[in-house]
Amino acid sequence: EADIYQTPRYLVIGTGKKITLECSQTMGHDKMYWYQQDPGMELHLIHYSYGVNSTEKGDLSSESTVSRIRTEHFPLTLESARPSHTSQYLCASGTGNQPQHFGDGTRLSIL
Amino acid sequence: SQQGEEDPQALSIQEGENATMNCSYKTSINNLQWYRQNSGRGLVHLILIRSNEREKHSGRLRVTLDTSKKSSSLLITASRAADTASYFCATDNAGNNRKLIWGLGTSLAVNP
Repeated sequence: EADIYQTPRYLVIGTGKKITLECSQTMGHDKMYWYQQDPGMELHLIHYSYGVNSTEKGDLSSESTVSRIRTEHFPLTLESARPSHTSQYLCASGTGNQPQHFGDGTRLSIL
Repeated sequence: SQQGEEDPQALSIQEGENATMNCSYKTSINNLQWYRQNSGRGLVHLILIRSNEREKHSGRLRVTLDTSKKSSSLLITASRAADTASYFCATDNAGNNRKLIWGLGTSLAVNP
C-alpha cells in the first residue's frame, strides 16, 4: 500500500474562495505530480516537481500554483476558485524510473 | 498531449471470461506501464514492461509489448467482478525527463 495522502477527499466550496489541496508522501520520493481528471476521462498533468524548490507546469494549462518546500509535501493552491475548476485532482509521487504511486484524490466542486 | 490510445474504450464481459485491452503509442519508450483505477480512487500500478521485454506476467495479468508496432496489450484471465475498474496505459518516453504519457483508458465491467 502506497503511503501518499491527499486531503480533503471531497470539497464543495463557493466561487472566489482560495483553496489549498494537500498532498503528502512518506516514501522519500524526489518526484511529485499533480494530475487533473474529469470522471471517466484521461489524466492531464498540471504540475510536477523533481525535488525541493523545483516546480514545473505540466501539459495542461492550469490556473493553480504549487510549491515544494519539503520533500514530502506538495500542496496545490487555487487563489480564486471558479466552476471551471470543478474536477478530480490526483497527486502522485515516484523516484527513478519506478512506477508512480497515487493518492486517492480530491474531488473538488465549485458552486 | 496524450499519445497513448487505448481500445476498446469500454468492455463488458461475464465473470470467468478473459479481458483484453490494447494500447498504442507514437514515440520511442523506455518502458510502458499499466495502472488500474477503481471508481472514485487513485491509480494503482499493475505491471511495468521495459522496451527490451516482450511479455510479462503477474498473477492473472499478462502484458505484451510490440515495439515494432508501438503497441501493448493487457490480458486479464478468468475475470472477477472485483476486476471492474478503468485501466490505463502510460509510457515513459525516451528523453522525456520522466513524465509519463497517459492513454485514454479502458473501462472494464465484469458482470457476476
